[in-house]
Amino acid sequence: DAGVIQSPRHEVTEMGQEVTLRCKPISGHDYLFWYRQTMMRGLELLIYFNNNVPIDDSGMPEDRFSAKMPNASFSTLKIQPSEPRDSAVYFCASSRASSNQPQHFGDGTRLSIL
Amino acid sequence: TQLLEQSPQFLSIQEGENLTVYCNSSSVFSSLQWYRQEPGEGPVLLVTVVTGGEVKKLKRLTFQFGDARKDSSLHITAAQPGDTGLYLCAGSFISNTGKLIFGQGTTLQVKP
Repeated sequence: DAGVIQSPRHEVTEMGQEVTLRCKPISGHDYLFWYRQTMMRGLELLIYFNNNVPIDDSGMPEDRFSAKMPNASFSTLKIQPSEPRDSAVYFCASSRASSNQPQHFGDGTRLSIL
Repeated sequence: TQLLEQSPQFLSIQEGENLTVYCNSSSVFSSLQWYRQEPGEGPVLLVTVVTGGEVKKLKRLTFQFGDARKDSSLHITAAQPGDTGLYLCAGSFISNTGKLIFGQGTTLQVKP
C-alpha cells in the first residue's frame, strides 16, 4: 500500500507569497493531522481532521494559516502571506480511528521563506 | 496544557554502550507511543504502550510504561550505529480522539 504522500518535498519562496502544501492520506484512514517541525519547538500539531471535518485547530499559529480537507483522499495547508518565521518542515500524518493506532507520516515538505 | 518532557535532548555514545531515554508528564496518559525519525523522513512508530507497568521489547529496545501512566522509558542495549536517529515519545491524553502530543525528542548518535 502507498503511504502518506506529500507534495512538494521542498519549497523555497519569498515572503509575502502564498504557499500551498498538499497531502494524500492512506486510504481508509479516518484521521488526518498536520504538524510543523523545527529545531526550537520540535513537532507541533497544527490541526487535525476526523472524517474530513476539522476537529481541533488550536495549534494553527494565526489567521495566515488555513487547512482544508475537501474529501477523504486530499488535504491542503495554506499560508498566506508567508513569513520567514514559517520556515520549517511540515508533516502530514494519517491514522485509523482510536488513539492507540499508529500515525503514519509522510516524508514532509521542507519550506524555506526568504 | 499537557506537556511531555523528554530527556536527554542529545546523546552521543560509542557502539556497544547502553542508554535510556525518558519521557515524563504531570498528566496521565491514556496511551503512549514511541517513534523513531531519520533525516529527511517522517517519524515511524516503534511501539504503543497502554497499560500501567507494561514492558515491551523490540530486539535490543525495551520500552516501559510507568505504573501511574505518567512516564515512560526507552532502553537500548548494546547500541549500534544503525540506532542513530531522533527518538520521539507521543502521548494521548484523551482516548479515542486520535490526537497525540509529542515530546521534544532525543537525538541519538552512535559512533562506530
